[in-house]
Amino acid sequence: AQKVTQAQTEISVVEKEDVTLDCVYETRDTTYYLFWYKQPPSGELVFLIRRNSFDEQNEISGRYSWNFQKSTSSFNFTITASQVVDSAVYFCALSESSNSGYALNFGKGTSLLVTP
Amino acid sequence: NAGVMQNPRHLVRRRGQEARLRCSPMKGHSHVYWYRQLPEEGLKFMVYLQKENIIDESGMPKERFSAEFPKEGPSILRIQQVVRGDSAAYFCASSTRTLTEAFFGQGTRLTVV
Repeated sequence: AQKVTQAQTEISVVEKEDVTLDCVYETRDTTYYLFWYKQPPSGELVFLIRRNSFDEQNEISGRYSWNFQKSTSSFNFTITASQVVDSAVYFCALSESSNSGYALNFGKGTSLLVTP
Repeated sequence: NAGVMQNPRHLVRRRGQEARLRCSPMKGHSHVYWYRQLPEEGLKFMVYLQKENIIDESGMPKERFSAEFPKEGPSILRIQQVVRGDSAAYFCASSTRTLTEAFFGQGTRLTVV
């Protein structure tokens, strides 16, 4: 069963539009961590955020914001005023205490294309 | 994160050859994780190691794949008798303790021809 679902395979927006990337997760653990990573065309994985299960506070970092809702098991990511440099594949990931070493379960990713 | 070093960045092997992928964790990190990213797929956990110990290899294919993290030196992911289906990006992550935030290397892109 998929632990992390990113239903949007590809999204295309025009520069300056806002865009939200959805992430729904599944876990029975009470202690877990949620992550977002960015993978630009160059291929590396760039860490964006980590959120633990006890902290439902939303977070904003510049143009990026995250909405964590335990009630719906979602951890959505919004980019405000998107830019061409935001074009990348974005991965949501879940780390559970029941996984040895809290290894990450990744979603399949959402490919975001921002056009000028 | 530039602190986790993987080499080589690109590796080409013919079918049947061996591939050795190296991962030097960030300084002070004693936990290493390997993940594989097949084309158009997300990353899949392969193995979790601590120094001189394999803690969890539940994501590793049963045959041809092995991993180690010796007391000295980098962690090695070894693939024997590679096949075309092994072509993928292999990422290593390291952390100071049981993962709550892992730093990833830039990956090794293996191409089997």
